[in-house]
Amino acid sequence: GNSVTQMEGPVTLSEEAFLTINCTYTATGYPSLFWYVQYPGEGLQLLLKATKADDKGSNKGFEATYRKETTSFHLEKGSVQVSDSAVYFCALSGQGGNQFYFGTGTSLTVIP
Amino acid sequence: GAVVSQHPSRVICKSGTSVKIECRSLDFQATTMFWYRQFPKQSLMLMATSNEGSKATYEQGVEKDKFLINHASLTLSTLTVTSAHPEDSSFYICSARVHTRSSYNEQFFGPGTRLTVL
Repeated sequence: GNSVTQMEGPVTLSEEAFLTINCTYTATGYPSLFWYVQYPGEGLQLLLKATKADDKGSNKGFEATYRKETTSFHLEKGSVQVSDSAVYFCALSGQGGNQFYFGTGTSLTVIP
Repeated sequence: GAVVSQHPSRVICKSGTSVKIECRSLDFQATTMFWYRQFPKQSLMLMATSNEGSKATYEQGVEKDKFLINHASLTLSTLTVTSAHPEDSSFYICSARVHTRSSYNEQFFGPGTRLTVL
C-alpha cells in the first residue's frame, strides 16, 4: 500500500541555519510527491511538488528531489527565517490522484 | 491558481446541534472533493471522498450518518456534522482535485473550519 514516513519533530533552528526534513515513502506505481506547509490556525498550502523521478520541486528557497532509488523526498532550505516557522507535511498522491497520503507533519520553529 | 474556500472558518455550537460546513471551488469546477479531519498536532485524516452527483465514499471508521456529505454542484460540497458532541471538535479541511496538464493529481486545500462543540 501507500504510505509516507516523515521525520518527527519538533525541530527548532536558529535563523539562517540549514534545514532538512526527511521524508520517505512506500507506493505502488508512480506517485506524485508534495510538501505542504501549515501556518498556525490556517489550512494547508502547497509548498512544492514533483511528479516523476529525479524531478526537483522548489519554491521560496525550499527544495526537494524525487529520489526513486531511495524512495525519498527530503525537504531542504539553505537558510531558514523566522517566518518559516510552521508545520510541514510530506504527502504522496497515487496514480489517478484519488487519495492523498500524508506524513504526520514536522513542526519547525525558527528563533531569531 | 485554483482557490478553495470554506465557510465558516470557525464555529462554536452546543452539544446535540448540527453544523454545516461549506467547501467551494472558486475558479474551477471540481468533480471530486475530499474532506479531512485534523486533530491537534496530528496529520490529516481522510474522512470521505465526495463526487458530484453521487454518494460520498467514506473511509473505514467514519460514520456516514453522522458526517453527511452532499456534493450537489461542481463547485460546492457540504459536510454536516449531525448531533455534534465534544469529541467531534476538530479542524475540518476540504480539498478539491484538479486535473490539468500542470496540476495533475494535485489537490487544492481550503483554509479549514475550526469546530468547537461545547
